[in-house]
Formats: sequence, C-alpha cells, structure tokens
Amino acid sequence: AQRVTQPEKLLSVFKGAPVELKCNYSYSGSPELFWYVQYSRQRLQLLLRHISRESIKGFTADLNKGETSFHLKKPFAQEEDSAMYYCALTSNSGGYNKLIFGAGTRLAVHP
Amino acid sequence: EADIYQTPRYLVIGTGKKITLECSQTMGHDKMYWYQQDPGMELHLIHYSYGVNSTEKGDLSSESTVSRIRTEHFPLTLESARPSHTSQYLCASRDRRGAFFGQGTRLTVV
Repeated sequence: AQRVTQPEKLLSVFKGAPVELKCNYSYSGSPELFWYVQYSRQRLQLLLRHISRESIKGFTADLNKGETSFHLKKPFAQEEDSAMYYCALTSNSGGYNKLIFGAGTRLAVHP
Repeated sequence: EADIYQTPRYLVIGTGKKITLECSQTMGHDKMYWYQQDPGMELHLIHYSYGVNSTEKGDLSSESTVSRIRTEHFPLTLESARPSHTSQYLCASRDRRGAFFGQGTRLTVV
C-alpha cells in the first residue's frame, strides 16, 4: 500500500541552525514526491517537488530511492520558516491519481 | 484569476441537516480531491476525481458523497450531518506541477 511517513510531529530549532524534516515513503511503482507547507492561517501550498530539483526559500529535497526517502533540508533556519510541513506522494503513471499526505511535521524556529 | 474557491469558509449547522460544501477551480484541472483535516493535523483523503463523471472514495471512510458534472465544480454533500463530521474540509486540484488548495471550509455540527 502507498504510504508516507513523517516520523517527527514537532521539530524545534534555533534561528540559523540546520533543519532536516524527514519523509519516508512506500510505493511499488515510480512515485512523484512533493513537500507542501502551511503557514499559520494560510492555505496549504506547494513548496517543492522532486522532479524539478529546485531550491525554494532555501529548502532542498533529494529523492533517495534506495532508502525510499525524500527529506527536506535547509542549512540555516529562519523564524519565518515556522509552519507545518507535509510530505506527499503521487504517481503520474497509469490510472493512479491519489495524492497521499504524511501526518506532517511542525517546524518551530526560535529566535 | 486562476484559483480554487471553497464556500462557505465557516459553517455551523444542526445535527441531521443536509449540507453541500462547494469547490470550484478555474485552472482547467482534471484531477480534484477532498481532504478532511483537523487544524495542524494529518490530511485524510476522502474523495477524488480524475475528470467529469469520474469519482472515487479515498482512504478515509466518509459518509459524504461527491459529484463531478463539470470540470470546474466538485461539490461534497453530507446527507445528514453529525457532530463527528465537525472538521475542516480542504478541496484541491492538480496538474503536473502539483496540487493547489482552497482556503478550506470549517464545519461545526452542533
């Protein structure tokens, strides 16, 4: 079964510290992975996706098929990064159109 | 402006009432989704659609139903609301870039 696991409910760091939000997935096909972010009182929005291999707001994420992971990283956290972060999985192949989310990790960046 | 809209934003309703949560998108996306989410918590997929006249139930058992008669419109209906339906309902549509979410409807059943 398709599943996305985010093992940490809360990650608390100080400003300027490195951040890594963990995401592991299980899917037998060729998945497409995303990170979404939800700032306080704002709608859920796309942060980045593995296909584009881009850096958004200083965040990057690399798909590791051997470890089935897609961890989100930022070398120096900022207070404005405080938010809920969700890892999500889908597939572009065949008829599979579900978009499955992990439980989310709350990132708290302290001054 | 291309966007996805949900109405109402907030709804308080009595037990046993029938309600429809509206979701419309102007991006021309075929794939649309409904999620149930308590604030700051996990998103649970309750329904999805790949296009007109095509709907599927998601992973979370739900007493709601959906319809997709037009590409841009994906309403969710509860025939008889109960207090256990109290939650936030998020609608999304997606293309190859990813999913785009509405502001959500916060439903309270009293």
